[in-house]
Amino acid sequence: DTEVTQTPKHLVMGMTNKKSLKCEQHMGHRAMYWYKQKAKKPPELMFVYSYEKLSINESVPSRFSPECPNSSLLNLHLHALQPEDSALYLCASSQDEAKGVVKYFGPGTRLTVL
Amino acid sequence: GEDVEQSLFLSVREGDSSVINCTYTDSSSTYLYWYKQEPGAGLQLLTYIFSNMDMKQDQRLTVLLNKKDKHLSLRIADTQTGDSAIYFCAEGYSSASKIIFGSGTRLSIRP
Repeated sequence: DTEVTQTPKHLVMGMTNKKSLKCEQHMGHRAMYWYKQKAKKPPELMFVYSYEKLSINESVPSRFSPECPNSSLLNLHLHALQPEDSALYLCASSQDEAKGVVKYFGPGTRLTVL
Repeated sequence: GEDVEQSLFLSVREGDSSVINCTYTDSSSTYLYWYKQEPGAGLQLLTYIFSNMDMKQDQRLTVLLNKKDKHLSLRIADTQTGDSAIYFCAEGYSSASKIIFGSGTRLSIRP
């Protein structure tokens, strides 16, 4: 099973809402990532979790709050977002952060903030 | 600095070969990747090559690496309509966290 799954596929939320994005993998990978991708742009790294601990936060605003409850799950909690946060949010995983040959990406959650 | 550049668009006739080119500036990268992104979808790892290799072939895909010129190419033989997508070239390092993407090349197939 070489699959990263993400839910929901689409999400529309208002600026006062609280919502969460979910990501799951069962490949035994110990590094998981959140990326943000704007239209017609490459993905930009947001957060890295290594062995369930936050390893990298790329100066992401606090309205985005990641959580890694166990080695298979990664959440991204959203609160008080802005319209410019509308984007495709991609989750990825790799064997671990130090062994970076292959990184598997999920299909993404397309987020629209009204 | 670290930069990866690709042309934005490529149009190819169905059945012909497609060649997507990429140049990069950082010779310390460990891997070079090609990802495919179909409309509305996530990134699919197509293939990758170690930076000490010159060529890799995988079915219809051929990757060529010219380290001297820091040039990477992806050739897709017998291009089909299902190959329509954006193709991202990327540099990878020993730390999986660090990956530098190009801006992507949109491949369109004409009949």
